[in-house]
Amino acid sequence: ETGVTQSPTHLIKTRGQQVTLRCSSQSGHNTVSWYQQALGQGPQFIFQYYREEENGRGNFPPRFSGLQFPNYSSELNVNALELDDSALYLCASSPTDLTGVGNTEAFFGQGTRLTVV
Amino acid sequence: AQKVTQAQTEISVVEKEDVTLDCVYETRDTTYYLFWYKQPPSGELVFLIRRNSFDEQNEISGRYSWNFQKSTSSFNFTITASQVVDSAVYFCALSEAWGAQKLVFGQGTRLTINP
Repeated sequence: ETGVTQSPTHLIKTRGQQVTLRCSSQSGHNTVSWYQQALGQGPQFIFQYYREEENGRGNFPPRFSGLQFPNYSSELNVNALELDDSALYLCASSPTDLTGVGNTEAFFGQGTRLTVV
Repeated sequence: AQKVTQAQTEISVVEKEDVTLDCVYETRDTTYYLFWYKQPPSGELVFLIRRNSFDEQNEISGRYSWNFQKSTSSFNFTITASQVVDSAVYFCALSEAWGAQKLVFGQGTRLTINP
């Protein structure tokens, strides 16, 4: 158990719809990262939030957006869902020090399996 | 650009055999971090090890050992006396030292330990 919880665990949506995935980070962790893992592939970095601000983004279109709340929990929103968005979405939390330098290990949740039909 | 290559897509061995998972990485950074994660069927990525680019000492933790060779840009993982519970997908990952802790993952190696 990493202390990182994601909800829901499974979700089925129709193409064109919007979805919100949620992540509760481990206590004391101020940094949350989101990853997309397609079937049979390694996770791909979507973006990271540090103290409620976006702190880095991968190669994903703007319809992928996020939020981080004062308690460091986070949401991933995807608009205009496409079939290729079907994947396991993983959230990872980690502590980052005041200089913004982290790179301690990231602790992952069990993910949300999103199916777009 | 950073890249991680795990050339072995699938490995299958019999219990108690030793097995090595290969990882080769590319980066222009002089300071970086390397990681190994285990992903059981439940989906959660379980952290195994983090290695700083300046620390080339090999590490052993129980049946697990890691061989980091900067000269060949490799960070290989060996499981000694494998057990059925070691069956999982294993990912090698790389991250920059500064800024966002963006992990760049390899494609993963599916390891099956047969009884």
